[in-house]
Amino acid sequence: EPEVTQTPSHQVTQMGQEVILRCVPISNHLYFYWYRQILGQKVEFLVSFYNNEISEKSEIFDDQFSVERPDGSNFTLKIRSTKLEDSAMYFCASSRLGENTIYFGEGSWLTVV
Amino acid sequence: QQQVKQSPQSLIVQKGGISIINCAYENTAFDYFPWYQQFPGKGPALLIAIRPDVSEKKEGRFTISFNKSAKQFSLHIMDSQPGDSATYFCAARTSGSRLTFGEGTQLTVNP
Repeated sequence: EPEVTQTPSHQVTQMGQEVILRCVPISNHLYFYWYRQILGQKVEFLVSFYNNEISEKSEIFDDQFSVERPDGSNFTLKIRSTKLEDSAMYFCASSRLGENTIYFGEGSWLTVV
Repeated sequence: QQQVKQSPQSLIVQKGGISIINCAYENTAFDYFPWYQQFPGKGPALLIAIRPDVSEKKEGRFTISFNKSAKQFSLHIMDSQPGDSATYFCAARTSGSRLTFGEGTQLTVNP
């Protein structure tokens, strides 16, 4: 069964450093998302992306965050200058055009020290 | 208005019992209500979903009950098994918009 794949699975970074999290969405999906989950808390929406532009973003997704689809298969989340409170599991997700089901990857665990 | 409230926070059930998790929402524009199952260190996986034009949907041991007038929906797990031990999240969205998650319920099924 096709799945969303994410790399790295775990990254430790110093506060203030830039981080790029990478995702390969399911191949025939056209909507892409990033969500995050702080340890022990609920899953929170960050941003959705369609047709090479951001279609919706949350209040969490400030100027420190950016997304990009650099080629036909990858979808990335960049955090420019990480803060301690950015420590979380970041989930990439994708869905087909016209369908409600969103498929999640296994996550990238980011630890900012 | 975007919130989805979920209860209980944790639930312990004996093997073979029924697990019931409840969610409530305010936004009447929500038109899709999925339940996700999450094991430790893994991403949420879709379990079952319902649209508001039906009151119940059953898939195997999992049933969603939906009460549109009360703006509530619940997940019932029949004949609960130790392998069902996980965190369960309800969620809601309107078409093309973000998925809003509940706070999650940690289910433990004792053998």
